Order: sequence, then structure tokens, then C-alpha cells
Amino acid sequence: SYEVTQPLSVSVALGQTARITCAGNNIGSKNVHWYQQKPGQAPVLVIYRDTNRPSVIPARMSGSNSGNTATLTISRAQAGDEADYYCQVWDSSVIFGGGTKLTVL
Amino acid sequence: QVQLQESGPGLVKPSETLSLTCTVSGDSISSYYWSWIRQPPGKGLEWLGYIYYTGITNYNASLQSRVTISIATSRNQFSLTLSSVTTADTAIYYCAHGRDYFFDYWGQGTLVTVSS
Repeated sequence: SYEVTQPLSVSVALGQTARITCAGNNIGSKNVHWYQQKPGQAPVLVIYRDTNRPSVIPARMSGSNSGNTATLTISRAQAGDEADYYCQVWDSSVIFGGGTKLTVL
Repeated sequence: QVQLQESGPGLVKPSETLSLTCTVSGDSISSYYWSWIRQPPGKGLEWLGYIYYTGITNYNASLQSRVTISIATSRNQFSLTLSSVTTADTAIYYCAHGRDYFFDYWGQGTLVTVSS
């Protein structure tokens, strides 16, 4: 079965750019979606189909997908961006990455 | 804006059946996909399955023998049953609205504990 791999944790200095990766075999051929989950809350969709943002998500969040890696990029990181981030693909089944904890220093 | 609300018992005994219902408001359930996703305490997300409004289902292969998702369009609800539960099924259970195999609206989640 298809698998996607995320780093357990990523740290970023306040105001800098964070990049969270999602690795999978030829993931560039799939649609990748990203969710943000803050403690005690339900996940929130932040990027869908690789690069698209829901209207309520700030433009500081962007996505890319090519080859074997999809990336969620968060520019000008803020304290409020601290959360767990999950990538998700479809491969005859819904598959979530294990999640990445983003820490803003 | 679609809103979803999970309901059901918060405590289930081992070997029994877990049953949850998701009530949808703000839109008709007669469109798109409706999913159940769970999250054990401190762990990641696990998709359980979805139901299309026509009644077509697709389940996580690892749980397929124990999971059933059904839909009641007249009540704008869909439901989850998970049989023969063990402590490993303790989790927050979310219902979600699916579009093109991603989830744009989620319920707040409900914690189900499996314990005797």
C-alpha cells in the first residue's frame, strides 16, 4: 500500500519561512492536501490539490508538489502557526501522513 | 457553510459495538462524500471510510471487516458502526465532508473510550 512520510518535527524562527515535507513514491503524480490541527481542535484544511488555498487561509501558506516530495510552505511564521500539520493523498484509499509538529521559536 | 456534529456514547465496553451519528446542517447531505476519521490520543489521523450520498461505500482495508457506514438522507445524517471494539479503538472520532477526496469541513470530534 502507498505510504507518505513526514518529519516528526520542524522548528522555525518567528517571521522566517517553514517548510514541511511529505515524501512518497512519485507523489508528484497525486493530489496532495494539507491540514493544520491545533491542540484540542479538529483539523482544518489549509491546502488542497497541491497548491490551492481555501478562502479563509492566509496567502502566507502555500503548497507545491513534484517528484517524490510535496511541500507545505509557511512564510513569515507566526506564533499562531504552531500546530500539527498532516498531508493526505488518495490512492484507492485515503492516506494521511504521520503528522509534523511545527514549533515557532 | 456546512456544519457537522458527532453524537453517541462516550464509553463502550470491549467486544461491543461502537455507534456514532453525524448530523449535517447548512447543506443537503445529498451530495459529495461523507467520511469518518479517528485519532487515538496523542497520535495521528486514520481514515475509516466514506459513504457517497447514493449509498456507495469505501472502507479502510485494515478495518473493513468491522466498519459500516450508513446514510439517512431524510434526516441529513450519516452513521458509523465499529464492531468488536478493543482498547485500541479508543480515539477521537471525527465526521467530515469530503470533496474530491479531501476534507473541507470537519465536526468538532467526539472522544470514545473503550473500557470495561
